[in-house]
Amino acid sequence: DGGITQSPKYLFRKEGQNVTLSCEQNLNHDAMYWYRQDPGQGLRLIYYSQIVNDFQKGDIAEGYSVSREKKESFPLTVTSAQKNPTAFYLCASSGTSGADTQYFGPGTRLTVL
Amino acid sequence: LAKTTQPISMDSYEGQEVNITCSHNNIATNDYITWYQQFPSQGPRFIIQGYKTKVTNEVASLFIPADRKSSTLSLPRVSLSDTAVYYCLVGDTGGGNKLTFGTGTQLKVEL
Repeated sequence: DGGITQSPKYLFRKEGQNVTLSCEQNLNHDAMYWYRQDPGQGLRLIYYSQIVNDFQKGDIAEGYSVSREKKESFPLTVTSAQKNPTAFYLCASSGTSGADTQYFGPGTRLTVL
Repeated sequence: LAKTTQPISMDSYEGQEVNITCSHNNIATNDYITWYQQFPSQGPRFIIQGYKTKVTNEVASLFIPADRKSSTLSLPRVSLSDTAVYYCLVGDTGGGNKLTFGTGTQLKVEL
């Protein structure tokens, strides 16, 4: 998992509740990312951050929020506005040159009941 | 972002060489080609990356023709544990740049 931790591995929440997913990296990477994966599908980018205190929306940012107060941490909040939050969420980090590869965490499977 | 096209699925047997080809006709000059492997309920794992010609590491080879409009991931002597989804990505993978993951290629290896 390359020095990226995500917790918890499984998360259950009731509909209408906000929930925050944790992502921590000790790779000293400047860039961090959040992806969502639905069954049988590829990964879709939710948010990404190139540097502390800055982040950009990805392709499916609606209903999600992030913060980047520390270089090593990039938590994702799934809000009640996200219409279909049940999914597998993956965090990644990378350096900032064009050839730097993204390293992924183990993922958090969120189920909204 | 360069769009990629790869087969939805492939079947193989243990000990065979597997070649997965990815088409990326609109690849940009500064784009790299990167392949990831993903097992169920796990994060993708980096396999190999290249820009042109051939790249080889301990697990795979990547062949890129001169026009860079396609690439081929070669897995030598696959085993059951190579059963996974393989993604081909084209772009600047680092620097906070966006990557587009398609549905990938589901490789199934049998005895």
